[in-house]
Amino acid sequence: EVQLVQSGAEVKKPGDSLKISCRTSGYTFTNYWIGWVRQEPGKGLEWVGIIYPGDSETTYNPSFQGHVTVSADKSISTAYLQWSSLHISDTAIYYCAKGLHDYVWGPLADWGQGTLVTVSS
Amino acid sequence: DIQMTQSPSSLSASVGDRVTITCQASQDIRNYLNWYQQRPGKAPKLLIHDASNLGSGVPSRFSGSRSGTHFTLTISSLQPEDIATYFCQEYDHKYTFGQGTKLEIK
Repeated sequence: EVQLVQSGAEVKKPGDSLKISCRTSGYTFTNYWIGWVRQEPGKGLEWVGIIYPGDSETTYNPSFQGHVTVSADKSISTAYLQWSSLHISDTAIYYCAKGLHDYVWGPLADWGQGTLVTVSS
Repeated sequence: DIQMTQSPSSLSASVGDRVTITCQASQDIRNYLNWYQQRPGKAPKLLIHDASNLGSGVPSRFSGSRSGTHFTLTISSLQPEDIATYFCQEYDHKYTFGQGTKLEIK
């Protein structure tokens, strides 16, 4: 069974750094793209960035480029989303999701439960 | 950048009704269009991929179609458990989501 288990909710202050995780199991981690999707409170879905763990190829939504970093650790089948300096506007639920097809990006078939990040002074 | 215009933004229908949600792409995205269902407080779920392919375990009352850059999600007979927000998403260029359609029971 494919599983994506995300780290727990975080409460941070503006300017803080943060790294959230997405631990996966049940499939070959290196063969499938993993994407990160943001959902602000009561709002729609926005793609943040995506990584292919096999070679760490990464692509970002231009709206998030330079503000977040997506990474992966093949040894523990875990993907990460990190910030070096959080803004209040980063308050949202962040989902990780695994691609449907191996080797190519595309539909996001399996999703983590989401990590709520709250940034408040 | 590609724009995905989803309509309506909200919809109220009765159990058993046929429901249609549309998504218009601002340029050609071929068949690279997915539909997701998000129930309240839950993660999104892949319903339809590549315009018309049913996701794993998705009931057959859901279907998707394409006409050029116009895409449609249809629920043939609305069930109470279909109450959710539905999002389209293209992946021909990057990933762009539509604004969402909130579906409620009348």
